[in-house]
Amino acid sequence: GESVGLHLPTLSVQEGDNSIINCAYSNSASDYFIWYKQESGKGPQFIIDIRSNMDKRQGQRVTVLLNKTVKHLSLQIAATQPGDSAVYFCAENILTSYDKVIFGPGTSLSVIP
Amino acid sequence: NAGVMQNPRHLVRRRGQEARLRCSPMKGHSHVYWYRQLPEEGLKFMVYLQKENIIDESGMPKERFSAEFPKEGPSILRIQQVVRGDSAAYFCASSPTNGQGRTEAFFGQGTRLTVV
Repeated sequence: GESVGLHLPTLSVQEGDNSIINCAYSNSASDYFIWYKQESGKGPQFIIDIRSNMDKRQGQRVTVLLNKTVKHLSLQIAATQPGDSAVYFCAENILTSYDKVIFGPGTSLSVIP
Repeated sequence: NAGVMQNPRHLVRRRGQEARLRCSPMKGHSHVYWYRQLPEEGLKFMVYLQKENIIDESGMPKERFSAEFPKEGPSILRIQQVVRGDSAAYFCASSPTNGQGRTEAFFGQGTRLTVV
């Protein structure tokens, strides 16, 4: 069945370094992927998305890479800041007509000042 | 434009009681999604509703759980006869469309249910 999983449950990086969070998915029918940031006690916050007809998309300090061949997704955060400390989820949108998403288990990012 | 509003933020119920969780979508949004998050885990889809219609309830437990989104008022997630395993954070998300064109769904702050 479909599933979205993460390689690393926790990640610690030095402030100013780049962070890379990885994600694997298994449903070839998925055509849309989203990265969410969840701070403690808050709801998930949209960071960036990518459609399956793209392999890279850039935002402000963030880049998402999609490798459909190996069903792999990554989130790169440039010049990581203390405010980036949170749990990051990748999510996939299965091929339906609505916004139902399947979330992965999450990676906790800790930024060391 | 206020975001997705969920209340209460925290809810404590004794085993066997009923829990009612409310979600007011963003203004202009007519699509609501409910998710459950257990500690240290990701969010699990529960149900998708449009006004007065349940579109997809494939993630809802077969018993004790129900959801509605009336023509007027907030969406309600109702859990009857709560058990300790129902303790979790429940998140609501809303979007203005059914997803065609992949409109971003916005999440509320969640309701943290504790069953004692």
